[in-house]
Amino acid sequence: DAGVIQSPRHEVTEMGQEVTLRCKPISGHDYLFWYRQTMMRGLELLIYFNNNVPIDDSGMPEDRFSAKMPNASFSTLKIQPSEPRDSAVYFCASSLTTSGFEQYFGPGTRLTVT
Amino acid sequence: GENVEQHPSTLSVQEGDSAVIKCTYSDSASNYFPWYKQELGKGPQLIIDIRSNVGEKKDQRIAVTLNKTAKHFSLHITETQPEDSAVYFCAAGSYQTGANNLFFGTGTRLTVIP
Repeated sequence: DAGVIQSPRHEVTEMGQEVTLRCKPISGHDYLFWYRQTMMRGLELLIYFNNNVPIDDSGMPEDRFSAKMPNASFSTLKIQPSEPRDSAVYFCASSLTTSGFEQYFGPGTRLTVT
Repeated sequence: GENVEQHPSTLSVQEGDSAVIKCTYSDSASNYFPWYKQELGKGPQLIIDIRSNVGEKKDQRIAVTLNKTAKHFSLHITETQPEDSAVYFCAAGSYQTGANNLFFGTGTRLTVIP
């Protein structure tokens, strides 16, 4: 299996622009998670889905952030408008209920907002 | 909600020595405790996990112990090698219907000195 795939790997954008991060989970996994990692706050869970349905979005920092999962093999995290404080590494992870809930992380997207 | 504390934040050991990283958690309902290794520029990689029905688990040079009464768990790496140098994260979660999220510690940067 190719593992969790994220794109782009690096994104540099100007404040106010829309940013879309993409994730393809491991085939067959029924949970998908979006995390943000910064030096100050560590790894933070933003939102997670089960069978394409958002279960908990309490970690989404504000209305500028939105996430969708239109099908079992694709999810997006959108920031509109972006701000410099959104600069971080964003990770997507997936897991399979029947295998014991182990989460497998993608390589991350490093976002820089100038 | 769950609160996971991790110590130390940095750890340096000589090659061949052992390394121990400790975590505490607050929610007695937590029943799943994974450990992740993160190398520079990569996503966290699951290296070992333990569930609340066991007290210890080993995998070659890595072992994890769990004390549910005291709400703490530890990662032990024996015969450390330079390739063990990375940031290690502990996490805690409770698996019940509709909930599958993890709470992460703040990480330990391990340096193995050749």
